[in-house]
Amino acid sequence: KAGVTQTPRYLIKTRGQQVTLSCSPISGHRSVSWYQQTPGQGLQFLFEYFSETQRNKGNFPGRFSGRQFSNSRSEMNVSTLELGDSALYLCASGTEGSRSTEAFFGQGTRLTVV
Amino acid sequence: AQKVTQAQTEISVVEKEDVTLDCVYETRDTTYYLFWYKQPPSGELVFLIRRNSFDEQNEISGRYSWNFQKSTSSFNFTITASQVVDSAVYFCALSEAQTSYGKLTFGQGTILTVHP
Repeated sequence: KAGVTQTPRYLIKTRGQQVTLSCSPISGHRSVSWYQQTPGQGLQFLFEYFSETQRNKGNFPGRFSGRQFSNSRSEMNVSTLELGDSALYLCASGTEGSRSTEAFFGQGTRLTVV
Repeated sequence: AQKVTQAQTEISVVEKEDVTLDCVYETRDTTYYLFWYKQPPSGELVFLIRRNSFDEQNEISGRYSWNFQKSTSSFNFTITASQVVDSAVYFCALSEAQTSYGKLTFGQGTILTVHP
């Protein structure tokens, strides 16, 4: 069974640009969550999607957005990139949004903003 | 609001020593799950264990064991006879029924280094 796949693995962007990250969940999983990991703030929840609907959102500015497609694949977008957006972005998928008790994580996308 | 605290930032041990990683949590919800994840240098978070708020039975799995105590809001993790391959960052996490099980609140992580 394939795991959670995140693309790309590494990304370098310039301040002011925008970026789109992709996450393909485990087959059959309908819940996808996104997290940002930085040395200073640790692992922080961005948002969760279930069946194409955003169920929860963390405390991030509106520059961070996401969506989920009918095949459960998810994308997150960051507009007007800032240096502080440099981080490891992790995606997790679960079996069901309200009852998922185990999140399977991908290897992440490491974003560097210069 | 929920909160997870891992007071130990870094732990260094010699191979074959036992090591305990501490985790204290805060939540107002009565139904919640606690997790431990391991993050090796590759970056992927590897699931180790899940425990729900109604099950305080402690668990042993090979060299790993977990001690869940609701009275002290703690969920500690012990590695017996540590090995070099155990070197990683370990995260304790909490999810609540009232928000969503899909939203995990993580502790700051404990960097474990096992020396040969």
